[in-house]
Formats: sequence, structure tokens, C-alpha cells
Amino acid sequence: GESVGLHLPTLSVQEGDNSIINCAYSNSASDYFIWYKQESGKGPQFIIDIRSNMDKRQGQRVTVLLNKTVKHLSLQIAATQPGDSAVYFCAEGGYSGGGADGLTFGKGTHLIIQP
Amino acid sequence: DSGVTQTPKHLITATGQRVTLRCSPRSGDLSVYWYQQSLDQGLQFLIQYYNGEERAKGNILERFSAQQFPDLHSELNLSSLELGDSALYFCASSPTGSTEAFFGQGTRLTVV
Repeated sequence: GESVGLHLPTLSVQEGDNSIINCAYSNSASDYFIWYKQESGKGPQFIIDIRSNMDKRQGQRVTVLLNKTVKHLSLQIAATQPGDSAVYFCAEGGYSGGGADGLTFGKGTHLIIQP
Repeated sequence: DSGVTQTPKHLITATGQRVTLRCSPRSGDLSVYWYQQSLDQGLQFLIQYYNGEERAKGNILERFSAQQFPDLHSELNLSSLELGDSALYFCASSPTGSTEAFFGQGTRLTVV
């Protein structure tokens, strides 16, 4: 079946460095892709999304890149801070009938910030 | 705070039992989604409701059912519970036309 997955279960970076979290997806029919952050004991929190007709989107300290040729999605976090420590999930979704569909999530990458 | 409220936060029950999880979406959001998060399966979409009507089903077992009421709150009913149903259950809501889903804090279900 179609799925969204991540390359690394754990990523350790130094505080202040840039972090890059990768994701491979298989459903080329998805309308958009989203990155979520989940801190311990909390629900997933929306970070940024990108429509399937875009290659790059920037937010505050985050950039998402979409490479449809190789079905690859990445999240770049600039100047990583201790508060960025969390599990990051990529997800894919679509639209039908005026609303967003349920999301298909990848397995997650645990970002660990070293002081 | 996402604005999505789930109750209860924790639930411990025995195999074979039935439980009901409750979700109040963000004010104005018509779409409600239920997800299950377990260590082996990750985050999986179960079911979606839009303005009281079932809109889409994901990997939801036949023992599970849900509904959305006129006031837009939703309930997820889990019956004939098995040990493998132990998981975090999340509710999310989304404004119409938006890709952003707001998740609640989840209900941790433990089946013993």
C-alpha cells in the first residue's frame, strides 16, 4: 500500500546548528504535505505545509523542500534550539468535497538537541 | 493549547469491555478526525466526520465506531477491547478548506 516514511528514527544535532529531517513518500497523488512536531505527552502540532505544486516553502526558522521527482520531502530547522527537541512527522493529505482528508503519517524522527 | 479538548486523558479498562472517548473540536471547525497512535503502527487515521456526517474511513476496526453530534462534538466508541487496542487516541479538528489539523492532547487507553 501507499505510505509515507522517514529515513532516520533519531537525529542528534548541536544546539545552534541547522537540522535537516528527511521523509520519503510514495503517493504521488497527494495534494499537500505537512510537517508536524510532537513533544512528549502532547498531541502533534502543525509546523508547516507545502502544496504539491510547490518546491519550497519557508516559515519562521523552518523551510520545507519538496522533490516530486524522487518523492522526497525535507524539513530544515535553522539555528536549532532546545525547544525544538521533539518527534517530527511528515504527513500527506488530499482534498475532497471541500475539506481536508485524513492524513497519512510517516513513522517519525526523534530530534535530540545536544547542548 | 490547540483548542481541541479530549476526555478522559487516561483510561484503564479490561479486555472485552467498551469505552467511549469524547472530543470537542475548536470553535467553528466542522471537520473532526480520529487517529490512533501506537508504538508499532505509528499515527494512523481512523475516521473523519464533517458537519455531522461520516466523510472518510481509514484503518478503523469494525469493533470501533464514531459519531459527530449536532453541536459538533464527537465520540469514538471502542468495543470488545483487546490488549492490542492499548494506544493513544487523538482527535483533531480542521477549518473547512484548510490543511491544518489541530490535535487534542489525546486519550491514553490501557487495556489490561
